[in-house]
Amino acid sequence: EAQVTQNPRYLITVTGKKLTVTCSQNMNHEYMSWYRQDPGLGLRQIYYSMNVEVTDKGDVPEGYKVSRKEKRNFPLILESPSPNQTSLYFCASSKAGEAEAFFGQGTRLTVV
Amino acid sequence: GENVEQHPSTLSVQEGDSAVIKCTYSDSASNYFPWYKQELGKGPQLIIDIRSNVGEKKDQRIAVTLNKTAKHFSLHITETQPEDSAVYFCAASIRGYSTLTFGKGTMLLVSP
Repeated sequence: EAQVTQNPRYLITVTGKKLTVTCSQNMNHEYMSWYRQDPGLGLRQIYYSMNVEVTDKGDVPEGYKVSRKEKRNFPLILESPSPNQTSLYFCASSKAGEAEAFFGQGTRLTVV
Repeated sequence: GENVEQHPSTLSVQEGDSAVIKCTYSDSASNYFPWYKQELGKGPQLIIDIRSNVGEKKDQRIAVTLNKTAKHFSLHITETQPEDSAVYFCAASIRGYSTLTFGKGTMLLVSP
């Protein structure tokens, strides 16, 4: 089954404790991205990657890091999480040249 | 960069009525306009899209219209059903660049 898989689905952590949210896709898509969803603000892009070892900032990159060492994986790293990073996070992938994005199920992160 | 405005933020209709959600975009270079449906606890899922060389597209009870001159596009759902209740997002992109800019979303509530 074609899918984008995120882990974990739910995470509660404390301020300053480094965490990683994993994202994996099995569709051989070149393009992957991370979004955060907040009430009243919709989906905002954090980082995106056009291919392996190619990443770039989206609209709200502050406080986040990403890496793309393999085509299928695109982890999101919060080196020192803060409460304003409490949000619902989505990973998405798409085929190069095709804008249709396939989304994961989401990761609800709470930073206390 | 691109900016997408979406209205209304909430929409309540009776089962069987029609629902219309409207979006405007700012970048005249955008040429791909998808609509995503997000059900509770799930990631957004593409329901219909339209490209700039087409003025209207239909798929059963849903349709999308595009006015490139005015830079706005709309989602129309006819004969609404309770299972249509969800958050709907419009988006715009320059096809081939694989970057979607989303509207803030519309929560559609269909009452039986």
